[in-house]
Amino acid sequence: DGGITQSPKYLFRKEGQNVTLSCEQNLNHDAMYWYRQDPGQGLRLIYYSQIVNDFQKGDIAEGYSVSREKKESFPLTVTSAQKNPTAFYLCASSTLPGRLAKNIQYFGAGTRLSVL
Amino acid sequence: GQSLEQPSEVTAVEGAIVQINCTYQTSGFYGLSWYQQHDGGAPTFLSYNALDGLEETGRFSSFLSRSDSYGYLLLQELQMKDSASYFCAARPQDYGGATNKLIFGTGTLLAVQP
Repeated sequence: DGGITQSPKYLFRKEGQNVTLSCEQNLNHDAMYWYRQDPGQGLRLIYYSQIVNDFQKGDIAEGYSVSREKKESFPLTVTSAQKNPTAFYLCASSTLPGRLAKNIQYFGAGTRLSVL
Repeated sequence: GQSLEQPSEVTAVEGAIVQINCTYQTSGFYGLSWYQQHDGGAPTFLSYNALDGLEETGRFSSFLSRSDSYGYLLLQELQMKDSASYFCAARPQDYGGATNKLIFGTGTLLAVQP
């Protein structure tokens, strides 16, 4: 059963703590993405990766870090430098179609991060 | 900068037709997509316009006019299960090389009433 798995579903962070959100896909997609969604807001891109061992910053990368050691996995670390981490975090993956072709991103079920 | 603006909320009755607009300011993009997100869930792809005009997919249609910097999603024969948030998303042109990233709109919460 192909798809994207995010874990955990809920996560709590203490002051000064780094936490890591997991994202795994078995769709054989080259590209993976992390988004942050605040209540009643759209999705904002944190980081994305189009190939193993390479990734690029999105619009709100400060206070976050990622790695892409395997095609299937793209974990996101929320560091202590992120002062307002409470949000819904969504991971997505896609192929790399041509410029005018459909770019369909497939999303995981998300992780809700709260600060204790 | 690049931004896509949508109305924050739209209300309609079951069986009706509703249009959700998306106006954008972007230097250039490859296409406009639409995603649906039920409360607390994962966004799912609905429709895509690479070129100007109307694309139809069952009860959902999407329209794009690049000259007017405007697109919309049309939902027909509304059902209660269509109550959700809807997002437009643009794939920005990247002259440094192909990129697959999307810029999402502000989102529209659709409430379907009996």
